Amino acid sequence: AQSVTQLDSHVSVSEGTPVLLRCNYSSSYSPSLFWYVQHPNKGLQLLLKYTSAATLVKGINGFEAEFKKSETSFHLTKPSAHMSDAAEYFCVVSEGSSGNTGKLIFGQGTTLQVKP
Amino acid sequence: DSGVTQTPKHLITATGQRVTLRCSPRSGDLSVYWYQQSLDQGLQFLIHYYNGEERAKGNILERFSAQQFPDLHSELNLSSLELGDSALYFCASSVSDLRTEAFFGQGTRLTVV
Repeated sequence: AQSVTQLDSHVSVSEGTPVLLRCNYSSSYSPSLFWYVQHPNKGLQLLLKYTSAATLVKGINGFEAEFKKSETSFHLTKPSAHMSDAAEYFCVVSEGSSGNTGKLIFGQGTTLQVKP
Repeated sequence: DSGVTQTPKHLITATGQRVTLRCSPRSGDLSVYWYQQSLDQGLQFLIHYYNGEERAKGNILERFSAQQFPDLHSELNLSSLELGDSALYFCASSVSDLRTEAFFGQGTRLTVV
């Protein structure tokens, strides 16, 4: 069965410094992987997705993630944090290929704090 | 705006009561997923419908049920409510049933008192 582990529950960075949010996945199949962001009292917004094309995926708001099969990782990065990036980030795997559902399996989330 | 509409946004009800949450998917999307978000459990998958057919069930209690109608909107029914059912309930839709990204509504915040 698929699963995701977000290695940090809380990450704190200063504005203008790089962001790294770590995610490892477990999947018996070639996975579809996503990062979603949730701002306080808001719904979930798709940041980016990996679906077996390029291993380096670019998303919205300057975020990108690299799929590394050998490390079963899909870490999210951004070169320079902005105050508006403060939110909860979820690494997600789609159950896809097995069974008949594309249900999403969420990691526990990483809270990103951005200090001025 | 994701294009997924959930109503109501907030709901306060008493224990033992029954409520219905409604979801309208994005135009053209055939899949609807329901998720529950709580502080202790995180985001938990409840159920998936594709073009009116149930495709998968997750951690959905027997007191909860859902359906997807011919116009593709979906309803999640929660009955015999308990304090522990208080949570944010999200609906998401996607164009197909496998391996595609899902788009989430703003959620319904349910408070059981």
